[in-house]
Amino acid sequence: AQTVTQSQPEMSVQEAETVTLSCTYDTSESDYYLFWYKQPPSRQMILVIRQEAYKQQNATENRFSVNFQKAAKSFSLKISDSQLGDAAMYFCATMNRDDKIIFGKGTRLHILP
Amino acid sequence: NAGVTQTPKFRILKIGQSMTLQCTQDMNHNYMYWYRQDPGMGLKLIYYSVGAGITDKGEVPNGYNVSRSTTEDFPLRLELAAPSQTSVYFCASSYSKQKFIGYFGAGTRLSVL
Repeated sequence: AQTVTQSQPEMSVQEAETVTLSCTYDTSESDYYLFWYKQPPSRQMILVIRQEAYKQQNATENRFSVNFQKAAKSFSLKISDSQLGDAAMYFCATMNRDDKIIFGKGTRLHILP
Repeated sequence: NAGVTQTPKFRILKIGQSMTLQCTQDMNHNYMYWYRQDPGMGLKLIYYSVGAGITDKGEVPNGYNVSRSTTEDFPLRLELAAPSQTSVYFCASSYSKQKFIGYFGAGTRLSVL
């Protein structure tokens, strides 16, 4: 069964600094997808970044990048130049061939001005 | 485009009542999902659909039913509401797994008293 573990319930970072959120997962599949979602206080879920497991190159989206370690089943999110608008819950998620998307419990990120 | 629209936004039910949470998308997406999010927790997959006429169970399907008669609509039915179903419900859609963008609705906050 798919599982997703986010071991950091809360994190804080100074504005303009860099922060890394951790995520580990378990799957028996070789072909799968990984995602990071942001949920601000508005509760809207926003896709931040996506990684296909068959791609060795780490995905990047502007200030957001991932460190994908397939053998270790690790998928961390790095946010560079943190901004006040980055404050939110961040969820890591996986999708296997069965099309089910499974989420972790989330990490609440605080940005300190 | 309206994206993914969920109705109602809020609802209070008495134990044993029934209701249908509506979800519609105007993006012609094949994949649709229903999640619930309990306080301080990640999203749990209830049901999902990969196209009209096809539905499948997620992690927590008990107490719920779905149907997918059209590409646009994916209603979630609660037959006998229980306090354990108090949660925020999210509907999501995507064009295909390979192009998963994950458009989410704004959520329905349901309280069962």
